[in-house]
Amino acid sequence: LAKTTQPISMDSYEGQEVNITCSHNNIATNDYITWYQQFPSQGPRFIIQGYKTKVTNEVASLFIPADRKSSTLSLPRVSLSDTAVYYCLVGDGIGGFKTIFGAGTRLFVKA
Amino acid sequence: GAVVSQHPSRVICKSGTSVKIECRSLDFQATTMFWYRQFPKQSLMLMATSNEGSKATYEQGVEKDKFLINHASLTLSTLTVTSAHPEDSSFYICSARGPGQDYEQYFGPGTRLTVT
Repeated sequence: LAKTTQPISMDSYEGQEVNITCSHNNIATNDYITWYQQFPSQGPRFIIQGYKTKVTNEVASLFIPADRKSSTLSLPRVSLSDTAVYYCLVGDGIGGFKTIFGAGTRLFVKA
Repeated sequence: GAVVSQHPSRVICKSGTSVKIECRSLDFQATTMFWYRQFPKQSLMLMATSNEGSKATYEQGVEKDKFLINHASLTLSTLTVTSAHPEDSSFYICSARGPGQDYEQYFGPGTRLTVT
């Protein structure tokens, strides 16, 4: 399973765009990149998943360069409620998908 | 989207007793479920992979005789913490893979276990 590296913490202000980059140098051909959000005392919540290039949904965008050795989660116009821990995960989605969580990035949004 | 529930949401038990935590996929069948443990300010640690109808696969360092996992149906997996001790106090989270080719994992809300 590919190991991921993310910044331990980030601070931002309400209304700003936040970009969290994750490194996964040993990503395998079959690996997907998935981001989760977790609030204290809650289970992780799926944000977005991608394989290559760019993926966008109603809450975030995911940018993946051609070599796929990193990915960037982009949160547009964050609010106080976006204060949470964000996890980048890389794993084989084809059979036996096992999710290993890295340390995650603790995002703190200030007013 | 798919929903995974856990019961109970929090439990307090005395040292030496056993506690069972249930994980249910409410609107889909899950052949594979995962159990995690999370200590304060730390990341989730995968404990075991639970497969319906077969024995669970435990991660290195997780005692299979202490953390009993049963996945008797396609919608229910249980984790039993046997002879619980204060150091077993933690936040336990389960997840289930989505149906078909859905690679997304759906997480339960977690169970807070406190052993006194």
